[in-house]
Amino acid sequence: AQTVTQSQPEMSVQEAETVTLSCTYDTSESDYYLFWYKQPPSRQMILVIRQEAYKQQNATENRFSVNFQKAAKSFSLKISDSQLGDAAMYFCAYMGGGAAGNKLTFGGGTRVLVKP
Amino acid sequence: DTGVSQNPRHKITKRGQNVTFRCDPISEHNRLYWYRQTLGQGPEFLTYFQNEAQLEKSRLLSDRFSAERPKGSFSTLEIQRTEQGDSAMYLCASSRLQGPHSYEQYFGPGTRLTVT
Repeated sequence: AQTVTQSQPEMSVQEAETVTLSCTYDTSESDYYLFWYKQPPSRQMILVIRQEAYKQQNATENRFSVNFQKAAKSFSLKISDSQLGDAAMYFCAYMGGGAAGNKLTFGGGTRVLVKP
Repeated sequence: DTGVSQNPRHKITKRGQNVTFRCDPISEHNRLYWYRQTLGQGPEFLTYFQNEAQLEKSRLLSDRFSAERPKGSFSTLEIQRTEQGDSAMYLCASSRLQGPHSYEQYFGPGTRLTVT
């Protein structure tokens, strides 16, 4: 079974600075997708960024970028120019490829605190 | 384009009672997923529908849990004889069947269940 591990329960960052969240996963599949979701307090889960495993280029969405290391099974998220609105729980998630409609397997989450 | 909606947003029930939650996916999305999230943890997969067919169920979904999607549109999740361990946030997500980024799941705000 696939597992996703987020080793940092909480990270703190100064406004306008950069923070990097770690995620490792375990899989025997070669085709899969990886995601970072943001869950603000008492609000719904929002998709931040996605990475297809067959793509070597790291995904970027505005201030959010990933460092995808397939051989190391590592998928970190970098938040640049942190803003107060970035404060939330961040979840790394894995989806197997192959048949469509696969479920997401989530890590335990990292709480990001942004200091003004 | 309305997002995924879930009702009710909060439900408090006494142990032993039955509860039912509803999820309305994004209108053109054929796939619908249910997840459960306990406090401080990442969501865990419960079950998944493609149109009206329930294609996968987690072993977390005990025989007290049943989910339906009778017309391939909205879905209901029923928990019979609730237990205190059922207290959690129940999340619904949906995704497209085909097309670009059809693997991306979009989440609703969740239904928070408290069993007293």
